Amino acid sequence: EAGVVQSPRYKIIEKKQPVAFWCNPISGHNTLYWYLQNLGQGPELLIRYENEEAVDDSQLPKDRFSAERLKGVDSTLKIQPAELGDSAVYLCASSFRPYKNTGELFFGEGSRLTVL
Amino acid sequence: AQRVTQPEKLLSVFKGAPVELKCNYSYSGSPELFWYVQYSRQRLQLLLRHISRESIKGFTADLNKGETSFHLKKPFAQEEDSAMYYCALQGGNTGNQFYFGTGTSLTVIP
Repeated sequence: EAGVVQSPRYKIIEKKQPVAFWCNPISGHNTLYWYLQNLGQGPELLIRYENEEAVDDSQLPKDRFSAERLKGVDSTLKIQPAELGDSAVYLCASSFRPYKNTGELFFGEGSRLTVL
Repeated sequence: AQRVTQPEKLLSVFKGAPVELKCNYSYSGSPELFWYVQYSRQRLQLLLRHISRESIKGFTADLNKGETSFHLKKPFAQEEDSAMYYCALQGGNTGNQFYFGTGTSLTVIP
């Protein structure tokens, strides 16, 4: 089992350019999360999917960020246009939580974005 | 509002010394608490969860609802324990929301 797979691992772009990150969760995990991690901070939720439905996107800056999870499996997070302050690590995580049972998060290695 | 507080950004201890990483939380319901760890050049991973009442790599954590704390402890620190530690709370309407603290960087000095 490869675990949660993210790509690219590193991305350097100039400001105002678009960028996209891809995530493949663990097979069978119905919940997928995108987190933002700034230097020296803990992960902060951007968006959470239950299957293909975005159930919590309140922290997603919708003017420039978008996400999709077609068919309830892979997910893509896009930023257009990127700003200097978007430089951070973008983490994808997945979980499987049967009703009333505790599930844990499984993280990918993250995509480190540098905006110049 | 849900919140997880880790008051120490950096913590250094000598090998063999006891270590305690502090975590306090605020949550209106019955939370489920976790400790996640990130070793150098590795992905964030679960260390332990309060519901299991387990000891992992010598670490334990007790949920104290009166003090709303979930401190991580180990009696004798090892060099391989040097890592970034995050306290996390699971809650929300469906129980699928996770809230993380800002993390504590632990360095074990040989």
